[in-house]
Amino acid sequence: QSALTQPASVSGSPGQSITISCTGTSSDVGNYNYVSWYQQHPGKAPKLMIYDVNDRPSGVSHRFSGSKSGNTASLTISGLQAEDEADYYCYSFSTRVSYVFGTGTKVTVL
Amino acid sequence: QVQLQESGPGLVKPSETLSLTCTVSGGSISNFYWSWIRQPPGKGLEWIGWVYYSGGTSYNPSLKSRLTISVDTSRNQFSLKLSSVTAADTAVYYCARYETMTEKALDIWGQGTMVTVSS
Repeated sequence: QSALTQPASVSGSPGQSITISCTGTSSDVGNYNYVSWYQQHPGKAPKLMIYDVNDRPSGVSHRFSGSKSGNTASLTISGLQAEDEADYYCYSFSTRVSYVFGTGTKVTVL
Repeated sequence: QVQLQESGPGLVKPSETLSLTCTVSGGSISNFYWSWIRQPPGKGLEWIGWVYYSGGTSYNPSLKSRLTISVDTSRNQFSLKLSSVTAADTAVYYCARYETMTEKALDIWGQGTMVTVSS
């Protein structure tokens, strides 16, 4: 099964905005609004940040937002803070394999 | 609030069966979908499969021939069994719950348990 494609790393300075892409196919990201995003700090369990492309769970900062265009979903972090430094994974419903994660992106705050 | 806790052996021998249990506390296992996810050391997340409280399942095709996920509502637990394990199955194993809105995202996770496959 092929994972969704994410950039290996993205970096930005405090206060800047960064965007992480997640590219799939018409079997997953392209035809379903069931993309979610997870933040994972070292040694910790993943945390849900965005679900259904652009919805935020209660308690998640408004600095996190999601979007989608065609087969690519995106997570944008605005006003980057030191605590945002972590790994981020996208996740999508898929008609081929039921569910699939992205390859993961390491976010570094410079 | 709902919490999940994985439990099971931390060391499994090659060719044997890996067995893990996830205990749900602070809420009922009923009316939810539940999932297993794993993460090999230094690598990304891999979806393993889900089970509905009534017993329905869906598995990752790459693991399907070796995998069984089941639920025990009387104990508020669900379990994973992965047979014929190899070193490639060494990973942190997480259990998680699907949220209730569209049941397509994982909103509550356990802390994870490390399983090493080695003789």
